[in-house]
Amino acid sequence: EVQLVESGGGLVQPGGSLRLSCAASGFTVSSNYMSWVRQAPGKGLEWVSVIYSGGSTYYADSVKGRFTISRDNSKNTLYLQMNSLRAEDTAVYYCARALDTAMALGYWGQGTLVTVSS
Amino acid sequence: EIVLTQSPGTLSLSPGERATLSCRASQSVSSSYLAWYQQKPGQAPRLLIYGASSRATGIPDRFSGSGSGTDFTLTISRLEPEDFAVYYCQQYGSSLSWTFGQGTKVEIK
Repeated sequence: EVQLVESGGGLVQPGGSLRLSCAASGFTVSSNYMSWVRQAPGKGLEWVSVIYSGGSTYYADSVKGRFTISRDNSKNTLYLQMNSLRAEDTAVYYCARALDTAMALGYWGQGTLVTVSS
Repeated sequence: EIVLTQSPGTLSLSPGERATLSCRASQSVSSSYLAWYQQKPGQAPRLLIYGASSRATGIPDRFSGSGSGTDFTLTISRLEPEDFAVYYCQQYGSSLSWTFGQGTKVEIK
């Protein structure tokens, strides 16, 4: 069974850093397209970043240069390193995995809340 | 960046009625790399449709997707009580930037 469990969220001051983790089970992270999607309180979904199985990474313009997606194959875990955090980065961050047959996000974690505030 | 515009913002319908949700892209979405998700309060999104018209595993056949190029539609043939939720379209055809629409809320009339 595919499972994704996010952790690492919390309260951080503007300008600070945080690293989110997404522990995967039931499949191999490095063999799949993995993505981060966020949702600000009361707002819609916003795509943040994706890492392809080949290792290529892409980012939304709103986080480019500040966030870094990566994976640890030995731990079967996906990460999102978030630097220079802003109030507008406050959101629930979801980790998601694409389907085997398409890049649509067929598997999602429960999300972890990041609050950027002084 | 491809911008997705969903309409209407809110759809007020009764159980048993047909729901038609629209998603329009600012430029053509390649190879119909268009997905639809359902989200209920406090829950993660759930994939309904991928490739514009393929139902994900376990999704009832009252959900159907259609369209190509810049215009896509999600249709719920007969609304069940559990279908009242927010629906998002997403394009994943542009490898440089995936995007979501702003969502359509389907509420009970």
